[in-house]
Amino acid sequence: QQPVQSPQAVILREGEDAVINCSSSKALYSVHWYRQKHGEAPVFLMILLKGGEQKGHEKISASFNEKKQQSSLYLTASQLSYSGTYFCGTEISNFGNEKLTFGTGTRLTIIP
Amino acid sequence: NAGVTQTPKFRVLKTGQSMTLLCAQDMNHEYMYWYRQDPGMGLRLIHYSVGEGTTAKGEVPDGYNVSRLKKQNFLLGLESAAPSQTSVYFCASSYGEALSTEAFFGQGTRLTVV
Repeated sequence: QQPVQSPQAVILREGEDAVINCSSSKALYSVHWYRQKHGEAPVFLMILLKGGEQKGHEKISASFNEKKQQSSLYLTASQLSYSGTYFCGTEISNFGNEKLTFGTGTRLTIIP
Repeated sequence: NAGVTQTPKFRVLKTGQSMTLLCAQDMNHEYMYWYRQDPGMGLRLIHYSVGEGTTAKGEVPDGYNVSRLKKQNFLLGLESAAPSQTSVYFCASSYGEALSTEAFFGQGTRLTVV
């Protein structure tokens, strides 16, 4: 039931843009995005609730297409600090028994 | 606030030994989770709890047991450790309920089973 993320890895030069995709086979209640630096815990970026909303966080934004059960994370004008592994987490509405399930991650490397 | 605290941070076990990992949160969160992280596998959900006294199985529950006797604590037990349980374990918590909220992670426990 893990969501599927693509690509698995991407290397960018500083200033370039990236898109990370997340898809699920089940209807989603919400999508979370987290970033993990090597040797550290995942850190929250944003949540998108069903309704097709789009959110932004400085130069990092995301969209959620409820009908397609997909979400995309957009990183524009990437900075060295954006390097890390990005995880999407998905929740399926289950009447108060929701569980947060993560994808396998996308490793992003930004080079000068 | 301490947030989410995991104990211990590192541990080496021999095959067949047992141990308990402790996760404590001071944010009055309802939901708590245990994940394991292995190279190329992402974060896989072991067990989770939606409130004090409740637990539920995740994607990879075999070989693990959990308890949530107090709202702030979520314990993960390995009754008979196996080399396949070598991993980094993360605990997380969130407010949960009907409104989805961010999950806060502990710093992880690196477990090696030899």
